[in-house]
Amino acid sequence: ETGVTQSPTHLIKTRGQQVTLRCSSQSGHNTVSWYQQALGQGPQFIFQYYREEENGRGNFPPRFSGLQFPNYSSELNVNALELDDSALYLCASSLVGMNAEAFFGQGTRLTVV
Amino acid sequence: DQQVKQNSPSLSVQEGRISILNCDYTNSMFDYFLWYKKYPAEGPTFLISISSIKDKNEDGRFTVFLNKSAKHLSLHIVPSQPGDSAVYFCAASAILKTSYDKVIFGPGTSLSVIP
Repeated sequence: ETGVTQSPTHLIKTRGQQVTLRCSSQSGHNTVSWYQQALGQGPQFIFQYYREEENGRGNFPPRFSGLQFPNYSSELNVNALELDDSALYLCASSLVGMNAEAFFGQGTRLTVV
Repeated sequence: DQQVKQNSPSLSVQEGRISILNCDYTNSMFDYFLWYKKYPAEGPTFLISISSIKDKNEDGRFTVFLNKSAKHLSLHIVPSQPGDSAVYFCAASAILKTSYDKVIFGPGTSLSVIP
């Protein structure tokens, strides 16, 4: 068991709405990364948070934003949802500098209709 | 611009035989490579990794080989077991000392081990 939990597990939203996904990191981990996995593809890096600040971002627009809290839990917020945002969103926690060997949650399946 | 490629979407292997999963990368800055395994309805699980200063790393039934000149790595599973049936992702990272180590994933290979 990885200790990384995500909520909710499934979510359906309407185009144009906003969504917040949550992640509880593994105990002792201070870094959290978020990934988007579209059907048939590998996870795509969205951004990473360390010490409550974003310290790296992939090719995602500003309507994708996040927060990391003092207890290392994290949120992913997506504004103005588009149909193409439908995907599995994965949270991964790790120790700083060890992001490559991260522990993933089970993901949140977001469907935008 | 796919920096990490897994050209075989699927692979079927008989139980007890060797499974070989291949991965190619294009970015010469990558210096750390990993394999993750994913079962349905679960997140990816770290399996094995290799640094660019090595050409082989072994962990039980799993061995990863790295050929830097060819920008190619492979994962060998010997012997293959039905429980190994999953999607395998190759991933690469260019670990930066002062910033984050962004991880790039390949599209995955679905392995089926037939009993």
